[in-house]
Amino acid sequence: KNQVEQSPQSLIILEGKNCTLQCNYTVSPFSNLRWYKQDTGRGPVSLTIMTFSENTKSNGRYTATLDADTKQSSLHITASQLSDSASYICVVSAGLNNDMRFGAGTRLTVKP
Amino acid sequence: DGGITQSPKYLFRKEGQNVTLSCEQNLNHDAMYWYRQDPGQGLRLIYYSQIVNDFQKGDIAEGYSVSREKKESFPLTVTSAQKNPTAFYLCASSKSVQWFTEAFFGQGTRLTVV
Repeated sequence: KNQVEQSPQSLIILEGKNCTLQCNYTVSPFSNLRWYKQDTGRGPVSLTIMTFSENTKSNGRYTATLDADTKQSSLHITASQLSDSASYICVVSAGLNNDMRFGAGTRLTVKP
Repeated sequence: DGGITQSPKYLFRKEGQNVTLSCEQNLNHDAMYWYRQDPGQGLRLIYYSQIVNDFQKGDIAEGYSVSREKKESFPLTVTSAQKNPTAFYLCASSKSVQWFTEAFFGQGTRLTVV
């Protein structure tokens, strides 16, 4: 069973609308949680990284939240743009090493 | 410009052949990683290297081999022993393997068995 579960698997929204992507994890011991954006056929690009002491972090129109008690994170995208169409991957690191556990991603499509 | 370069972008392999995927970084990072990405699944770790001349197996190392003779380079060989090699392969690097270091990814190589 994957230790990082993302939902929904896919999402279609209209340009200008907001959306929220979810990530639940069971990885332990928790070190940090990252959100990556991956365009089709390209490598992932980092959006945010949060440690257990942080519960929110923003990067432009992207805002990530973390609840280390419930082991949940969300990525909120505000005023979506066509260029936001991509897969969004939640990555949780365990222990003291960069032992990254990847979710399967949420495929977001923004339509005009 | 700085970053991680993977080549080729597309690679086709015949049954029974070995192929080597290139990964080069000029970020002066000590740690490098190889991942495999399949549709509907999260990235899975094949091999990683913390330092030159050292590498460790990841979760799915069978059928793959690596070398780390130079800090900048971490090539991955997909051998004929890998029964299902068709996938998207991603190379990454980080300053170290410590938990707080950022990982940067290359643009990937799509390998197809023909």
